[in-house]
Amino acid sequence: AQSVAQPEDQVNVAEGNPLTVKCTYSVSGNPYLFWYVQYPNRGLQFLLKYITGDNLVKGSYGFEAEFNKSQTSFHLKKPSALVSDSALYLCAVRENPTDKLIFGTGTRLQVFP
Amino acid sequence: DAGVTQSPTHLIKTRGQQVTLRCSPKSGHDTVSWYQQALGQGPQFIFQYYEEEERQRGNFPDRFSGHQFPNYSSELNVNALLLGDSALYLCASSLFQGLGNQPQHFGDGTRLSIL
Repeated sequence: AQSVAQPEDQVNVAEGNPLTVKCTYSVSGNPYLFWYVQYPNRGLQFLLKYITGDNLVKGSYGFEAEFNKSQTSFHLKKPSALVSDSALYLCAVRENPTDKLIFGTGTRLQVFP
Repeated sequence: DAGVTQSPTHLIKTRGQQVTLRCSPKSGHDTVSWYQQALGQGPQFIFQYYEEEERQRGNFPDRFSGHQFPNYSSELNVNALLLGDSALYLCASSLFQGLGNQPQHFGDGTRLSIL
């Protein structure tokens, strides 16, 4: 079965420090990977995607993600965290060959001033 | 350019009742997907509509049904509500390409509470 795992329920980081939110996946065929962010009582906002090409993907709000095929990982990173980055981060993979997204359980990022 | 809009924002129902949630896709999109997000969980795929037909379905019972209209807007209907149906229901729209490499755009959801 195709799946996504986000091993950390919560990540805490000080403002100005780099952050990493982890995601691993299991999919048949080539993976189409996505990161979304969800603020309280809001829907999901798209951050970035990996379809093919360069393993380092740059997205919105200074976020980037590194695709690692051998480790089946797609970790989200940002060089310098902001308090306003505090939110729920969701990793998703497209279930081949459909258009259905399979989400992880989410990682809550808390950035402290 | 309007994004995905959903109505209502909040809804309270009792067990056994029926509910209808509505979604208007982002301008230019023709495909609508519905997801259920329980508290503390990631969204779970319910189904997807394109050309007014259900194209894909997740692991949800027949109590969950939907419809897509000629203007691409969509409704999600849930019958015989259970306490476990309490969740945030998210609508996502996209452009049908058969490739799935474009991100789905999400609305802010409808918070459904079952008493």
